[in-house]
Amino acid sequence: EAQVTQNPRYLITVTGKKLTVTCSQNMNHEYMSWYRQDPGLGLRQIYYSMNVEVTDKGDVPEGYKVSRKEKRNFPLILESPSPNQTSLYFCASSSRLAVRSGANVLTFGAGSRLTVL
Amino acid sequence: AQSVTQPDIHITVSEGASLELRCNYSYGATPYLFWYVQSPGQGLQLLLKYFSGDTLVQGIKGFEAEFKRSQSSFNLRKPSVHWSDAAEYFCAVGASNDYKLSFGAGTTVTVRA
Repeated sequence: EAQVTQNPRYLITVTGKKLTVTCSQNMNHEYMSWYRQDPGLGLRQIYYSMNVEVTDKGDVPEGYKVSRKEKRNFPLILESPSPNQTSLYFCASSSRLAVRSGANVLTFGAGSRLTVL
Repeated sequence: AQSVTQPDIHITVSEGASLELRCNYSYGATPYLFWYVQSPGQGLQLLLKYFSGDTLVQGIKGFEAEFKRSQSSFNLRKPSVHWSDAAEYFCAVGASNDYKLSFGAGTTVTVRA
């Protein structure tokens, strides 16, 4: 089944304790992206990657890092989490061919709910 | 830069009644428009999309949306709502040959029996 898999789905941590949220897709998609969802703000893009070793900042990158060493994986790293990073996080992917044809349909993971105390 | 406004934060509708969710976008060129639905505890699922052609677009689960360029709108409709339609709905705008999508703040739909 074509899907985007995120782990963990739920996490409670404390301020300053480094954590990584993994994201993996099995569709051979070039494009991957991380969003955070907050009430009243919708989805805001954190980072995105156009392909392996190519990443760039989205709208709200502060406090986050990403890496894209393999095509299928795009982990989100919080080096020193703070309470304002408490949020619901989504990973999404799309194919370059789909974008060029005008069909940039993102496939989303199920979400990772992070609480930072 | 592109942006999306969903004026209604929360809508309550009776089962069997019609539903309309509003979406207004801001974009300088021809937009690519999407509606996604997020059921409780789930990721986002694409309901429908508009790129060009017929301005009335049919999607899954009995939803449709109409693109009105003069009003910069892309409202989502369903003639008869089912209890399973209770969810949060997001409108998004993108551009040709561009990966970036901008999402609205979302509209939560509650369905009462």
